[in-house]
Amino acid sequence: NAGVMQNPRHLVRRRGQEARLRCSPMKGHSHVYWYRQLPEEGLKFMVYLQKENIIDESGMPKERFSAEFPKEGPSILRIQQVVRGDSAAYFCASSKDSGTDYGYTFGSGTRLTVV
Amino acid sequence: GQSLEQPSEVTAVEGAIVQINCTYQTSGFYGLSWYQQHDGGAPTFLSYNALDGLEETGRFSSFLSRSDSYGYLLLQELQMKDSASYFCAPPSGGNTPLVFGKGTRLSVIA
Repeated sequence: NAGVMQNPRHLVRRRGQEARLRCSPMKGHSHVYWYRQLPEEGLKFMVYLQKENIIDESGMPKERFSAEFPKEGPSILRIQQVVRGDSAAYFCASSKDSGTDYGYTFGSGTRLTVV
Repeated sequence: GQSLEQPSEVTAVEGAIVQINCTYQTSGFYGLSWYQQHDGGAPTFLSYNALDGLEETGRFSSFLSRSDSYGYLLLQELQMKDSASYFCAPPSGGNTPLVFGKGTRLSVIA
């Protein structure tokens, strides 16, 4: 029973390119959450999705960032025209329901470096 | 709205007991979760308190007082591998994602 799978583990992009981060939730989990973490900082919530629906995107920057969780396939976090400030670790988590026990399972993260 | 307070750093000796406090303010309340994160690693779920009192899981215990908007994580018989960051997270709604604070960095020394 694989956990939350994120890929790639490391991603290097030049300024202005697009970054595409993938997350496959645990089997049986239909809720996906994306978080961003800067060095020495906590986890900052970005977006919460269920299959084909965005439930809460209050933490997403208004421009350049988008997320989806299609009926088939992984959840994708897309960052267009990346800038140096986008360099961070991006974690995806999944849960079985909206969280009566709030036990999220996190993936190993994608470390994005913008050069 | 929501606010969280945890100490930023704690240092303790191997074999000792350490308590990491968390005070919070949320618009609603659905319990208190704790997560551990080692440097370079993914956060992992440690515990969830839905009700007041102490929950014990091996060397780790978590306490909640809803009336005081306060909780703590207690780590006993500290080991070097317990050196990590610890985050408390109080969800504020049934359909609301977890919001984490900056966490407490625990350093266990010999």
